Amino acid sequence: GAGVSQSPSNKVTEKGKDVELRCDPISGHTALYWYRQSLGQGLEFLIYFQGNSAPDKSGLPSDRFSAERTGGSVSTLTIQRTQQEDSAVYLCASSSQGTAYNSPLHFGNGTRLTVT
Amino acid sequence: RKEVEQDPGPFNVPEGATVAFNCTYSNSASQSFFWYRQDCRKEPKLLMSVYSSGNEDGRFTAQLNRASQYISLLIRDSKLSDSATYLCVVNGGGTSYGKLTFGQGTILTVHP
Repeated sequence: GAGVSQSPSNKVTEKGKDVELRCDPISGHTALYWYRQSLGQGLEFLIYFQGNSAPDKSGLPSDRFSAERTGGSVSTLTIQRTQQEDSAVYLCASSSQGTAYNSPLHFGNGTRLTVT
Repeated sequence: RKEVEQDPGPFNVPEGATVAFNCTYSNSASQSFFWYRQDCRKEPKLLMSVYSSGNEDGRFTAQLNRASQYISLLIRDSKLSDSATYLCVVNGGGTSYGKLTFGQGTILTVHP
């Protein structure tokens, strides 16, 4: 079956422009997560959704970052007025249940964002 | 203190060696623990969940120590294909139970 799909796979943008990253989770997965990973670094938590609501958005770095999820499925991560420090790989993952049941995360291939 | 801290490594071991990684977590209310593996320029993939009584999957053994708030991963009879970054993952406690925090990762290189 289809895995987690992210688009675009690569995005180069100029500083100051807005970008929108998309994530299509595995069908039926209720939980959806956004992380970012800078070169040589670990995964930094950004936000997660349970259904369409975001119980924890504590990892969003600034008010330039926002995310939404509609219909319990597709999610978009929007970065406004991009800065060079936003350059990273943005990873989306989905899970079939809450983590209390030890269900694994299934990751997409990520979007590599480069801000010039 | 970071929410999840790992042995930074890197670990360089010969084939056949036994290697162990540790990970500590700060939230005593955390309930879910995992080890993920990430190959270079690839997405992380679940290696194994960690259960309270400890669990084994082939050459891999995971342990949880709630009193000291750490988890460990033991790899026996290392293979070249085990070379990767190993990520410790812990969920938040209380109302943040769904938040999964990753450690910085431990790099393992297995050489012939």
